[in-house]
Amino acid sequence: QSALTQPASVSGSPGQSITISCTGTSSDVGSYNLVSWYQQHPGKAPKLMIYEGSKRPSGVSNRFSGSKSGNTASLTISGLQAEDEADYYCCSYAGSSPYVFGTGTKVTVL
Amino acid sequence: EVQLVESGGGLVKPGGSLRLSCAASGFTFSSYSMNWVRQAPGKGLEWVSSISSSSSYIYYADSVKGRFTISRDNAKNSLYLQMNSLRAEDTAVYYCARVDSSSSLGLDYWGQGTLVTVSS
Repeated sequence: QSALTQPASVSGSPGQSITISCTGTSSDVGSYNLVSWYQQHPGKAPKLMIYEGSKRPSGVSNRFSGSKSGNTASLTISGLQAEDEADYYCCSYAGSSPYVFGTGTKVTVL
Repeated sequence: EVQLVESGGGLVKPGGSLRLSCAASGFTFSSYSMNWVRQAPGKGLEWVSSISSSSSYIYYADSVKGRFTISRDNAKNSLYLQMNSLRAEDTAVYYCARVDSSSSLGLDYWGQGTLVTVSS
């Protein structure tokens, strides 16, 4: 199972919105509504930000939203803040393999 | 408060073995599926293995199949990963992670990780 494809980096100014894409195939992202997104600050464990494509766990800011179109899932961060600077990973169920992660995206707040 | 604490990492020679443990507290461990996820230095996340709440279903990534064994002891609230025939490419921080109790498959709690270094 190959990793899902994400842009290596995305940047934005405080207050702006940014979108991170996560491209898979019809065997993973395209077939299941089971995409999750994780935020990871340096030296820390990942944190669940979005599950089932667009749902937020309790305590996660509503500035984070998820969507999917075909084989591509997306994470949008609106009202970008300095604390959002981190690495972000998508993850999808892939049938033969419960989890396949994306390649990761480094978000920089300018 | 949900807590997951990994232990057992360290330096091991290629071909060697290591057993990781994950101690769970703050929730009913026996009701949740669990996973191991690893992250090589400076690299991304890689799913390693999953085990269902009663150990009925177990899955492995192709990269570790036949070398790693996941298990759990619900009486001890503990998750394990037995790693044999270790290779340099197994060097990583290993996290244990809990699966959300719904059908979402989201990994809602993670431990702090334990570092495994495979080197001669």
